Amino acid sequence: SAVISQKPSRDICQRGTSLTIQCQVDSQVTMMFWYRQQPGQSLTLIATANQGSEATYESGFVIDKFPISRPNLTFSTLTVSNMSPEDSSIYLCSVELYMNTEAFFGQGTRLTVV
Amino acid sequence: AQSVAQPEDQVNVAEGNPLTVKCTYSVSGNPYLFWYVQYPNRGLQFLLKYITGDNLVKGSYGFEAEFNKSQTSFHLKKPSALVSDSALYFCAVRDLPRSGTDSWGKFQFGAGTQVVVTP
Repeated sequence: SAVISQKPSRDICQRGTSLTIQCQVDSQVTMMFWYRQQPGQSLTLIATANQGSEATYESGFVIDKFPISRPNLTFSTLTVSNMSPEDSSIYLCSVELYMNTEAFFGQGTRLTVV
Repeated sequence: AQSVAQPEDQVNVAEGNPLTVKCTYSVSGNPYLFWYVQYPNRGLQFLLKYITGDNLVKGSYGFEAEFNKSQTSFHLKKPSALVSDSALYFCAVRDLPRSGTDSWGKFQFGAGTQVVVTP
């Protein structure tokens, strides 16, 4: 398994501002992902964080709104830009280890935009 | 296209009674199925998976799941529920590994089932 540290665990932000969420893993991982979990709903994949290159975004998500970095095999950031109340969600970092079929998740960042 | 369905928004069970959380799936090929649990203010924790082999899969915290190909189901079970099992449970299905990469494909999660275990 992997130990994933995600920061911050929660935040309350003003609309129009940006928040950067960090995800640190204790071992080198092959893949890192970012998910959104809106209140009372399931998980939606935002993007795959690629090391040293631009992230791969899912339909409905764009880089300008959710810029992602992954400078090495153990660290990634997700920024939620120009926030609105509709961005209030839990954001989850997820990682995969080489030859593992299951994914592991950080504890999530609960974001409230006011 | 792959999908999973969790037909129950909430399951209520008394402590000590059997717990079942239902999941059905739809995939074009062989299914790769997972169960995760989410406790309040926490991320998802992996419980168990079915890739191949025995239809009855045992996982963490005394949970097990039975793969039923004819019914396209992967129900999660626990013989005797605990109050501490109260949480949100997600069933998920996954694509086969994509060609040219080391990774399996994307997860598709169900809507989640809230389990409430009363003392």
